[in-house]
Amino acid sequence: EPEVTQTPSHQVTQMGQEVILRCVPISNHLYFYWYRQILGQKVEFLVSFYNNEISEKSEIFDDQFSVERPDGSNFTLKIRSTKLEDSAMYFCASSKGDTQYFGPGTRLTVL
Amino acid sequence: QKEVEQNSGPLSVPEGAIASLNCTYSDRGSQSFFWYRQYSGKSPELIMFIYSNGDKEDGRFTAQLNKASQYVSLLIRDSQPSDSATYLCAVRRDQTGANNLFFGTGTRLTVIP
Repeated sequence: EPEVTQTPSHQVTQMGQEVILRCVPISNHLYFYWYRQILGQKVEFLVSFYNNEISEKSEIFDDQFSVERPDGSNFTLKIRSTKLEDSAMYFCASSKGDTQYFGPGTRLTVL
Repeated sequence: QKEVEQNSGPLSVPEGAIASLNCTYSDRGSQSFFWYRQYSGKSPELIMFIYSNGDKEDGRFTAQLNKASQYVSLLIRDSQPSDSATYLCAVRRDQTGANNLFFGTGTRLTVIP
């Protein structure tokens, strides 16, 4: 069964550094999403992407964040100048327009 | 502010019993309702979704929706220890398309053998 994959599974970075989180959505899906979950808190929406552009973004998704679909398979989230409070699990999800399927997540630790 | 509220639990039920999980939402425009299961340290895993008022059954799981009361529930029949997890309620404004999910904080369920 097709799955969303994410790399790396765990990323440790120093405050102020840039990180890129990578996702490979399910191949015939058209809609792509990034969510994050701070430890012990709820899953929060960051951004959705459709037809090669951002379709919706939350208040969390400020100028520090950007997304890109550099080729036909990858979907990336870039976080510039990371802060301690960016430490969280970052989940990529994809859908054909109905239900969203989540990848296993990348645990980002900012020191 | 779109809110999805769930009792954080923990909810403990004996093996074989029915577990009942509840969720309320604030946005009357919500059209799609989802239940995800999340094991500790893992990603949300879709259990089922419901769009229309009433009940929807899938194996041991039944989702119930009451849009007038802005209430969604999940019943798990014949609960098993492997059902022990956090159950996330999520709502979306549309039935299809790019709209994002709004999640509740989840209810932790423990099934006691």
